[in-house]
Amino acid sequence: AQTVTQSQPEMSVQEAETVTLSCTYDTSESDYYLFWYKQPPSRQMILVIRQEAYKQQNATENRFSVNFQKAAKSFSLKISDSQLGDAAMYFCAYFNAGNNRKLIWGLGTSLAVNP
Amino acid sequence: EPEVTQTPSHQVTQMGQEVILRCVPISNHLYFYWYRQILGQKVEFLVSFYNNEISEKSEIFDDQFSVERPDGSNFTLKIRSTKLEDSAMYFCASSDGVTYNEQFFGPGTRLTVL
Repeated sequence: AQTVTQSQPEMSVQEAETVTLSCTYDTSESDYYLFWYKQPPSRQMILVIRQEAYKQQNATENRFSVNFQKAAKSFSLKISDSQLGDAAMYFCAYFNAGNNRKLIWGLGTSLAVNP
Repeated sequence: EPEVTQTPSHQVTQMGQEVILRCVPISNHLYFYWYRQILGQKVEFLVSFYNNEISEKSEIFDDQFSVERPDGSNFTLKIRSTKLEDSAMYFCASSDGVTYNEQFFGPGTRLTVL
């Protein structure tokens, strides 16, 4: 069974600095997608960034980028120039488009941004 | 930009009562999902729905739960006899199954069972 592990329950970063959130996963599949979702206090689930497993190039979205290491099954999120609005719960999620189409979630990392 | 909507935003009910949570997925999407998140805990998959039938359901999704797409636009989750442990945030999501397989989430319904 696929699993997603986020080993950092809480992280903090100074405003304008860079922080990296860790995520590892376990799968025997070769074709899958990985996502980072942000959940602010409103509890809305917002997609931050996605990565297709077949792509070697790391995804980037403005201040957000990932370090995707397929062999190591690692998918970390880097937030550059952190802003107060980045404070939220961040979830790593795995998706396999085969028989099983559900998102499998990590436990989340609570990110605090200090002014 | 199209979005998934959910109603109500907050539902309070007595234990043993039936509740129906409603979702309007994005109109051209084909895959529909319900997830739940007990406060402070991980997000859990409940059920996926495609082509007017359940594709997969989790162990949580027992006989007390049912889903329906009654009119081609709404997607509902019914809990027949609520328990205290059903108190959670319930998220609906939809996907076109093609574009990065991205699931778009609604704002959630907070269910409180007293």
